[in-house]
Amino acid sequence: EIVLTQSPDTLSLSPGERATLSCRASQSVSSSLLAWYQQKPGQAPRLLIYSASSRATGVPDRFSGSVSGTDFTLTISRLEPEDFAVYYCQQYGSSPFTFGGGTKVDLK
Amino acid sequence: QVQLQESGPGLVKPWETLSLTCTVSGGSLSVYYWNWVRQSPGEGLEWIGYIYASGTANYNPSLKSRVAISVDTSKNQFSLRLTSVTAADTAVYYCARGQTVRGFEYWGPGNVVTVSS
Repeated sequence: EIVLTQSPDTLSLSPGERATLSCRASQSVSSSLLAWYQQKPGQAPRLLIYSASSRATGVPDRFSGSVSGTDFTLTISRLEPEDFAVYYCQQYGSSPFTFGGGTKVDLK
Repeated sequence: QVQLQESGPGLVKPWETLSLTCTVSGGSLSVYYWNWVRQSPGEGLEWIGYIYASGTANYNPSLKSRVAISVDTSKNQFSLRLTSVTAADTAVYYCARGQTVRGFEYWGPGNVVTVSS
């Protein structure tokens, strides 16, 4: 099973600032099949990024994903008020599919 | 527009069977794989398993002995059965559409299930 470790647990930032979220995999992720999801309280997760760096339909271009080896990064270039939420990474390249523990981006 | 909607009881007694159904509208079950994911209160996300329209299923080993996912293409539905539930199975249960490259693009709003006598 691939273990995904997200850091930090919490990121306290202000609107307009840049957010950098990390997701480290315990082993290689097949075909970089890693996704990032945003979840707000009481809502289902929303797909932001798939295949490590491709934006899902309708996702603003301030969200971007990158990969270096087993290290994946989600960057939000300039935080908007609606971006304060919890973010999860997920690998879906090998079974069992696994999620990271999440990073909460909250208001400083 | 693809939409998914979970349905089922919100309360299940310990050691009984949890049963949920996901109804898919706006698209066919073909081509994609159909997932169940759960989230315990205040916790992260756990993938339970998936099924293809053909009936081929794959489960998380952590739950494999207790879980079964089935599909009814005539109704555009797929279902989850989880046996011998305990308080640890209390969670929000989501259904989601999976695609090989694009991940879990569509999700249902979630069904809260509490295990309690």
